[in-house]
Amino acid sequence: DAGVIQSPRHEVTEMGQEVTLRCKPISGHDYLFWYRQTMMRGLELLIYFNNNVPIDDSGMPEDRFSAKMPNASFSTLKIQPSEPRDSAVYFCASSLSEYEQYFGPGTRLTVT
Amino acid sequence: KQEVTQIPAALSVPEGENLVLNCSFTDSAIYNLQWFRQDPGKGLTSLLLIQSSQREQTSGRLNASLDKSSGRSTLYIAASQPGDSATYLCAVNNNDMRFGAGTRLTVKP
Repeated sequence: DAGVIQSPRHEVTEMGQEVTLRCKPISGHDYLFWYRQTMMRGLELLIYFNNNVPIDDSGMPEDRFSAKMPNASFSTLKIQPSEPRDSAVYFCASSLSEYEQYFGPGTRLTVT
Repeated sequence: KQEVTQIPAALSVPEGENLVLNCSFTDSAIYNLQWFRQDPGKGLTSLLLIQSSQREQTSGRLNASLDKSSGRSTLYIAASQPGDSATYLCAVNNNDMRFGAGTRLTVKP
């Protein structure tokens, strides 16, 4: 398996634009997690899904953030409108039930 | 390549006991170190983040220390409770986040 795949790897956009981050989990995994990493706050859980259903979105910072998982092999994290403070590395991870989480390479987002 | 080791792999203690979890890393050129709690079927919960310039961080009954020069961090849990039962992960960030294998903690009532 290729592991967790995220795209794009880097995204630079202007304030106010819509940003969509994509994730393909490892085949067969039933959990998918979205995290955000900044130097000041470290890694923070944003939202996670189990069997494509959002379980806990309490970490989503604002209504500007939304996440979907239309099927078992794809998830998106959308920011609309984006702001400079959203600049961070966004990680997607997947796991099989309660076992180890496998992280993707991350998307480095810069909002100017 | 950064290697992160956590000792012990598992720990079982009676309620009320103070305990220490250990994390060691091989490359001391880190930006920060973070301790997480993982419960079955849930995402990682951040407990404490220590920046490279800091020596320790405290939150409630938790205290984490960092000694970069020796490549060590400890997580101290005071007056443990059954609700503290979980797997505790440390992660080291030096432009590439590396996780330890975790310590599975069981606190018995």
